[in-house]
Amino acid sequence: GAVVSQHPSWVICKSGTSVKIECRSLDFQATTMFWYRQFPKQSLMLMATSNEGSKATYEQGVEKDKFLINHASLTLSTLTVTSAHPEDSSFYICSARYPPSGRALGEQYFGPGTRLTVT
Amino acid sequence: GENVEQHPSTLSVQEGDSAVIKCTYSDSASNYFPWYKQELGKGPQLIIDIRSNVGEKKDQRIAVTLNKTAKHFSLHITETQPEDSAVYFCAASETGGFKTIFGAGTRLFVKA
Repeated sequence: GAVVSQHPSWVICKSGTSVKIECRSLDFQATTMFWYRQFPKQSLMLMATSNEGSKATYEQGVEKDKFLINHASLTLSTLTVTSAHPEDSSFYICSARYPPSGRALGEQYFGPGTRLTVT
Repeated sequence: GENVEQHPSTLSVQEGDSAVIKCTYSDSASNYFPWYKQELGKGPQLIIDIRSNVGEKKDQRIAVTLNKTAKHFSLHITETQPEDSAVYFCAASETGGFKTIFGAGTRLFVKA
């Protein structure tokens, strides 16, 4: 299957600072990338959909000024958690959608996740 | 919008037995149904998927069935092994939409 990388895999930061997480599709071009947040023992919560060259679409309840998303190229999307607080501590996972084939929706591949701890 | 329900939430089986996880969806427009395996501390891994134009798909020990009339699909794992222990998520999406809706997950334990 296709490979999606995420960096860093874990990060610890102090309250009030900003953290940037990178998501890359290594062997395919992804016009659409997604950012999820996952709490322990829970399902994936979609935060936003990121389309290359346009503004991200945020899900209801997700603060776009706090979670800045940039999809600058077909292989890179970044999530910046601004002015992080302890309640932002979580497992953040990105995914990239493989280009569609004909009318079929492309498969979605996930990165390995980034564990953010805000102290 | 789409809603995906997944059962059971926890499943414990003996090594070598089969495991079945079931999901139902609400949006009849959904036509793509992937299954993901997530190990502790890792991102979900796509293990198999099925599109609405087929009723069953198999890949070695795993198989997925789809009943479009009843709007449910299932994951079958045969000859389970301890390394199959993980959380499994079903999902549903449709070609015209951007979102993939995930089930709540099933925690599978395979006892040696």
